[in-house]
Amino acid sequence: DVKVTQSSRYLVKRTGEKVFLECVQDMDHENMFWYRQDPGLGLRLIYFSYDVKMKEKGDIPEGYSVSREKKERFSLILESASTNQTSMYLCASSLTGRNIQYFGAGTRLSVL
Amino acid sequence: DAKTTQPPSMDCAEGRAANLPCNHSTISGNEYVYWYRQIHSQGPQYIIHGLKNNETNEMASLIITEDRKSSTLILPHATLRDTAVYYCIVRVISGGYQKVTFGTGTKLQVIP
Repeated sequence: DVKVTQSSRYLVKRTGEKVFLECVQDMDHENMFWYRQDPGLGLRLIYFSYDVKMKEKGDIPEGYSVSREKKERFSLILESASTNQTSMYLCASSLTGRNIQYFGAGTRLSVL
Repeated sequence: DAKTTQPPSMDCAEGRAANLPCNHSTISGNEYVYWYRQIHSQGPQYIIHGLKNNETNEMASLIITEDRKSSTLILPHATLRDTAVYYCIVRVISGGYQKVTFGTGTKLQVIP
């Protein structure tokens, strides 16, 4: 089975802190994604990557950056966390040409 | 991408079939219908997809109307563990970027 692992299930940070969310997949997928999920808003795409060192902005990239130095790992960075970034963050990966995304369990981030 | 419309919520008795509808009246000829579900506090999980023929796997069946403007996901014998939010998505299968837009889905409550 495809496994997408997010480093933390729950995270509490303070306003202004730099926050790193890590995601690792074990199926050699080319594509990796970061979403956030908020009540009533569904899943919104923050950034995605279709290859190592490649990244593309999604629908809501402001306040975030990403890093993909290795194929299996995709990191989401909050440069200076703010309270409006309190959310559930979901990482996903997919194989090019199949369009089936496999999701991690999510990280619930609280910024105080 | 074609837009989808789903009822916000449904109930189903345990052991009965759950039939979840989805309208996608603007679907294009090369767009597939995908279904995912999200159990509370977990990441979305892929269920099934199809183009125009009915599909069945170990989790569910997918019935697509002949004009492809709507589809129904069928869980043949719903259990309490099937309580989740179900998302219907339409998307082409292609190489490269594969943005998937999740709406707010249908919240299925399986009742004992």
